[in-house]
Amino acid sequence: GQNIDQPTEMTATEGAIVQINCTYQTSGFNGLFWYQQHAGEAPTFLSYNVLDGLEEKGRFSSFLSRSKGYSYLLLKELQMKDSASYLCAVREGRLLDTGRRALTFGSGTRLQVQP
Amino acid sequence: EAGVVQSPRYKIIEKKQPVAFWCNPISGHNTLYWYRQNLGQGPELLIRYENEEAVDDSQLPKDRFSAERLKGVDSTLKIQPAELGDSAVYLCASSIRGRENTEAFFGQGTRLTVV
Repeated sequence: GQNIDQPTEMTATEGAIVQINCTYQTSGFNGLFWYQQHAGEAPTFLSYNVLDGLEEKGRFSSFLSRSKGYSYLLLKELQMKDSASYLCAVREGRLLDTGRRALTFGSGTRLQVQP
Repeated sequence: EAGVVQSPRYKIIEKKQPVAFWCNPISGHNTLYWYRQNLGQGPELLIRYENEEAVDDSQLPKDRFSAERLKGVDSTLKIQPAELGDSAVYLCASSIRGRENTEAFFGQGTRLTVV
């Protein structure tokens, strides 16, 4: 089974930087995903990490340390529209195994961006 | 390109009544997932299909839930009879098998309220 932990809520100021942490314990690891979900809407894909290191995509970056079972999502130059829930999700299985399994999600971190 | 389409968007039923949800995945996506999301929680997998085969239904409450994916395209999820605790958002997602970094694309979901 899997255990995925992330903070329940965070608050940040428009224009600032925020880091959302995620720790996981899994019986296997085959990738970590971050999704954004606005209230009442579908989750949308933000980033994917399978090897250690930082992946950057515009204002969003995601970091992974497999040895520590740790990831973070970094949001820069925060905008009001970034207020949403951010879901950390892990896929079990052997590394880079194309016989992939479904994602297991954390409970999500609700981010509130204030003016 | 059309995304994952789900219907209905909202459904209110009385307990003990049956209910069905429908999902049309993105064209060409052979993997289909049904997730359930309770308020303030992350999505939880109910069942995963590879084409028309259910390859992971270990978390589907089989006494009252059933699903099918005839012809490996559209899928339906049924609850009979519904209970108060089934109130949640039911999300359908699809992805392409074999691409290790491909994300799952989610539909808007069906918000079920059992009264």
